[in-house]
Parts: sequence; C-alpha cells; structure tokens
Amino acid sequence: EAGVAQSPRYKIIEKRQSVAFWCNPISGHATLYWYQQILGQGPKLLIQFQNNGVVDDSQLPKDRFSAERLKGVDSTLKIQPAKLEDSAVYLCASSLERGGQDTQYFGPGTRLTVL
Amino acid sequence: AQSVTQLGSHVSVSEGALVLLRCNYSSSVPPYLFWYVQYPNQGLQLLLKYTSAATLVKGINGFEAEFKKSETSFHLTKPSAHMSDAAEYFCAVRKAAGNKLTFGGGTRVLVKP
Repeated sequence: EAGVAQSPRYKIIEKRQSVAFWCNPISGHATLYWYQQILGQGPKLLIQFQNNGVVDDSQLPKDRFSAERLKGVDSTLKIQPAKLEDSAVYLCASSLERGGQDTQYFGPGTRLTVL
Repeated sequence: AQSVTQLGSHVSVSEGALVLLRCNYSSSVPPYLFWYVQYPNQGLQLLLKYTSAATLVKGINGFEAEFKKSETSFHLTKPSAHMSDAAEYFCAVRKAAGNKLTFGGGTRVLVKP
C-alpha cells in the first residue's frame, strides 16, 4: 500500500514570496492533516480536513496560510507571503477515521527555508 | 486542554543498554497516547499506541510503554539499544473523542557504540 506522498521535499524561498505544498493521502483515507514542525519542536496541527470539509483550523495563521482539499483527496497548503518564522518542515498525514481510534500516517514532509 | 511533556530533549545511551524515554501528559478525559519515531529527513512512524486496553503496550522494533494513570505517565522503554534506534521520538496525546494529536517537544536519542 502506498504511503502519504508529499512534494516538493525541499523548498527555499525569500521572505514575502509565496509557496505551495502538495499532499496525496493514502487511498481511501477520509481525514487529512497538515502539521508544522519547527526545528527542535514537536509537530503542531495547522488544519484538519474530513473529506473536503474543514474540521479544525484553529491554529492556522489565516492571514497568510490557506489550504484546500478538492474532491476530498489531494490537498494543497499555501503560504503567501512567507515570513522568516515560517521556516519549518510541513508534514501531511492521513487517517481512515474509524470511531476515533485510527492511526495517523505521516508523509516525509516538505522542508521550507525562508531567507 | 491537553498537553504533553517529554523530559530530556537529548538522551545518549550505549549500544545494548536500556533505553528509557519519559512522557507525562495532562488531559481532562481519559486519553489515547502514542509514541512516534522520526528518522532524519523522514516523516513520523507510529511505534505504539495506548487506547484504554492493556496498560502495557508493545510496539515495533522491541519498544514498549506502560500507561500509569496515577502518575499521568507513558514512558517508552527498550531493553537493549541498537544503533538503528538513533532517531527522534515524540510522545503524543489525543482525546478519546476526536482525532487531534498534541505532540511533546521530542527526545533525540544518540546510541554510542
């Protein structure tokens, strides 16, 4: 079974530029998550989708971050404009969503460096 | 609100020695608890999870963890460290209802030959 796919794996941009990340979850997984992992810290949830609806985006900086999940499958996370403090690894995860006990499976992440 | 504290951001062990990683949680409801491992430049991989069944949970790669409600702890252990165990380990908590994970700050394990 294929895992969670993410691209690109690495991205370097200058501050005030825009950037987009793509995630393809495991086939059949209804729930998709985007996490931000700053160096030396644990991942922090940015947004959670159930199919193509948003379940939780309470920690998403909505003035610069946006995310969508078209047709309940792939998802994109966008930052516009980027700030230095956005340098982090952006992890996508998916879960089958079965009674609240299912496991989240993580992709390899996209490492963003903002100069 | 729930939170997770991992004691020690770095742990160094000798190959063959006991690995002990500490995790304490706070949660207003009985939680689900998880340990994930992250190898360099990779995503997180589930080691084991506690979901209110047996308090001693066995996971992959010889790891196990014990849920102690009285101590609000979920420490991770492995009897004998292997060089391949060098990685960063994250403890996470989730409310029984809902699927939002809250992670600790992580513990990086170094294994010395």
